[in-house]
Order: sequence, then structure tokens, then C-alpha cells
Amino acid sequence: GAGVSQSPRYKVAKRGQDVALRCDPISGHVSLFWYQQALGQGPEFLTYFQNEAQLDKSGLPSDRFFAERPEGSVSTLKIQRTQQEDSAVYLCASSFRRLGNEQFFGPGTRLTVL
Amino acid sequence: EDQVTQSPEALRLQEGESSSLNCSYTVSGLRGLFWYRQDPGKGPEFLFTLYSAGEEKEKERLKATLTKKESFLHITAPKPEDSATYLCAVEGGGSYIPTFGRGTSLIVHP
Repeated sequence: GAGVSQSPRYKVAKRGQDVALRCDPISGHVSLFWYQQALGQGPEFLTYFQNEAQLDKSGLPSDRFFAERPEGSVSTLKIQRTQQEDSAVYLCASSFRRLGNEQFFGPGTRLTVL
Repeated sequence: EDQVTQSPEALRLQEGESSSLNCSYTVSGLRGLFWYRQDPGKGPEFLFTLYSAGEEKEKERLKATLTKKESFLHITAPKPEDSATYLCAVEGGGSYIPTFGRGTSLIVHP
């Protein structure tokens, strides 16, 4: 596709449920980032992949959050035992190079935990 | 720790009323400063990258400038379709992780 796609666009989960959020980056993009964006805030870094390698996961808020990109393209962010504080928009972004490069963002997945 | 502060938090303009948005940053060894536009319900859309002090870039009614401590996004004769949140992000030091500001919400009234 022409841009970064994410699915689902909206997800409502009951507290304690597991969720999986998918990101399809632009073909050929080496870098992939996941961000969490709360209302009225800028995106907050969660984790970074260079191809299939997860080089940084320092932004993941707890061990309930897990991300993978097994073949260096599609990535999945999984949240186990969701809590209300996990409610946010989860953004995925990809870029062609590693450093100093503009990022192309997907539309985001809005997660609401009841 | 890298910090990015954007001001004002919100700005209301009349159509045609030019203004500027500010992004102040502290980072050791700036590698790039990025401006993005974000419309409600959408992901940020890339506008500009600035790499060194003195650099300027333009696109339609937008012009971005950079000094060693801050960047400005100048909006000339804005139109209602320029209404959006404008985000600034910096990348530098030993990190490849951009740090985003909280954004400036711009509303342009017809």
C-alpha cells in the first residue's frame, strides 16, 4: 500500500482481556516505531525495530506490553491483561533509514479499556 | 534528558492573520528537528526536517526556521484548512528515538 496501515482502528476491551494491534509499514522501510498517545499529548515512545530486531523497548510501560516484527515487515503490539490506564491511541510509524529521518505514521488504533 | 516544549498550547487565528508557533528544545548534539501536522483522528503527517541552526524550509503557507535553542513554524495568511495540531520532535545525542512536544492546537476561523 501507499502508506502505513494499522488495524483495528478502534478496539474496546474489558479490563483483563488481551489485545493485539497490527501495523503494516511502508514496504522497504527499515525502521518501525510504536508510540502511545494520550489525549492532548504528543506521541510517547514505546519500542523500536530495525528490520526484525527489537533494538529498544525502554518505553514499554510494563511487562504486559510485548511487540514483535518477526519478518522485518508487519509488526504486532500485544497488551496482556489490559488495564484502564492502557486506554490511549497507539501509533505505528516507519522510516526508510535509521537515523535523522522523517517518520510516516499510520492512523493509529484507539484502545478503550472498560 | 532531551526536552521539547511547544508554545502556545492553543492558538486561534482569523483567516489571513499570520503568526508563529514555537518549539524550544534541549538536546546534546541535535541530529534533526521535525515538524508534523496532526488532524483529529489521524496520525501525524510529516512537514519538515531541519538539521542545523540557520536552516529554513518552506511549504505553501508554512515556513520553519531553526536556531540552537528553538524552532519556529511561521504561518502566513492561514486558511481554515490549516487548522490542526502541530507537533515538534527532536532527535539527538546518542539516541535514535525522537522526543515529541505536546503540540500546538491551531484553529483558523473563516
